[in-house]
Amino acid sequence: GENVEQHPSTLSVQEGDSAVIKCTYSDSASNYFPWYKQELGKRPQLIIDIRSNVGEKKDQRIAVTLNKTAKHFSLHITETQPEDSAVYFCAASGEGTSYGKLTFGQGTILTVHP
Amino acid sequence: DTAVSQTPKYLVTQMGNDKSIKCEQNLGHDTMYWYKQDSKKFLKIMFSYNNKELIINETVPNRFSPKSPDKAHLNLHINSLELGDSAVYFCASSQGMVGSFFGQGTRLTVV
Repeated sequence: GENVEQHPSTLSVQEGDSAVIKCTYSDSASNYFPWYKQELGKRPQLIIDIRSNVGEKKDQRIAVTLNKTAKHFSLHITETQPEDSAVYFCAASGEGTSYGKLTFGQGTILTVHP
Repeated sequence: DTAVSQTPKYLVTQMGNDKSIKCEQNLGHDTMYWYKQDSKKFLKIMFSYNNKELIINETVPNRFSPKSPDKAHLNLHINSLELGDSAVYFCASSQGMVGSFFGQGTRLTVV
């Protein structure tokens, strides 16, 4: 089955700096890669996603890149703000018998210091 | 209107008891899921239903039994609760190849 590795497990940055979180996946059939943000005590919320036919996607201060050959994808947050502090999860999914099933990375605790 | 709602939000119970968690989604999605988030925040899928049909059943003890009376509801029943079942359980739903929407979670504590 799919295996998703996420690094780093913790990331501490100063307000205004950029933050980068990286994930690798094992199943070459995976073709959908969402990113979730989970604030303390809250539900995971989808913040951005990318499909395998796209190399990069941007939404304001966040962007995601995908390298299908190397089987890795990354989340980039620019101009970080204290409210960006949360746990971020990457995930991978594919079609077929595992349709819609998300395999999550281990999570990254991002702390943005004012 | 809450898109994916689950009840209860908190559940404290003794070992050996049987408990249920209910989930409802009003998004019209065909697929619903149960995920378990452990104390280290790791999220792992347990079950998935598509149009009331079980399509994913990960390695979960058979004390856990999901039930989907219709495509808008997916409940989770747990028999003979154990200390190790303590976790946050999230219900989620999705439509097609779109990221899942999660419920607010049920924090289960077994004492």
